[in-house]
Amino acid sequence: LAKTTQPISMDSYEGQEVNITCSHNNIATNDYITWYQQFPSQGPRFIIQGYKTKVTNEVASLFIPADRKSSTLSLPRVSLSDTAVYYCLVGRGNYGGSQGNLIFGKGTKLSVKP
Amino acid sequence: ETGVTQTPRHLVMGMTNKKSLKCEQHLGHNAMYWYKQSAKKPLELMFVYSLEERVENNSVPSRFSPECPNSSHLFLHLHTLQPEDSALYLCASSQEGQHSSTNYGYTFGSGTRLTVV
Repeated sequence: LAKTTQPISMDSYEGQEVNITCSHNNIATNDYITWYQQFPSQGPRFIIQGYKTKVTNEVASLFIPADRKSSTLSLPRVSLSDTAVYYCLVGRGNYGGSQGNLIFGKGTKLSVKP
Repeated sequence: ETGVTQTPRHLVMGMTNKKSLKCEQHLGHNAMYWYKQSAKKPLELMFVYSLEERVENNSVPSRFSPECPNSSHLFLHLHTLQPEDSALYLCASSQEGQHSSTNYGYTFGSGTRLTVV
């Protein structure tokens, strides 16, 4: 499974856009990129998943360059409730194949200040 | 409510006790997982069940014993634990092997906070 590298922590203020970049230099052809959010004492929650280019949903956007060796999670206009740990994972997607076993790294601790 | 329910939410047990953690998923998924999250450490994958068969055991001590009686239920039986086993134990489920535009990633429960005294 491809290893991921992301910043340990980030600080932001309410109303700002936050971009968290993740490096995954050894990503395989059939790997998908998935981001999760985790609040203290809760399980991680799926945010967004993508394979290439750009994916957008009601919560975030995910930007993936052509070489797929990195990805950027973009959170528009963050609020205090977005303070959490964000995990970038790379593994086999479930489009017609096995999900694979997702391995979590240390994640990025985002602190949003008023 | 995520569709994955874990009980109990909190558990305090002595080192000589035997207890069980329960996980139930209402999502129709066919794979279930146990993760352990200790303070200031990444989530550690413990066990994987796919179609009710254990497909992975990541060198977990035998004092942890999983059981998956059907695709909706997963148990983690605990006996003679050590204080260092105190952690948040998370259950997750996913749908494996099918193309679906609505099944993304893993769905986690809220976890059981275990304290071994």
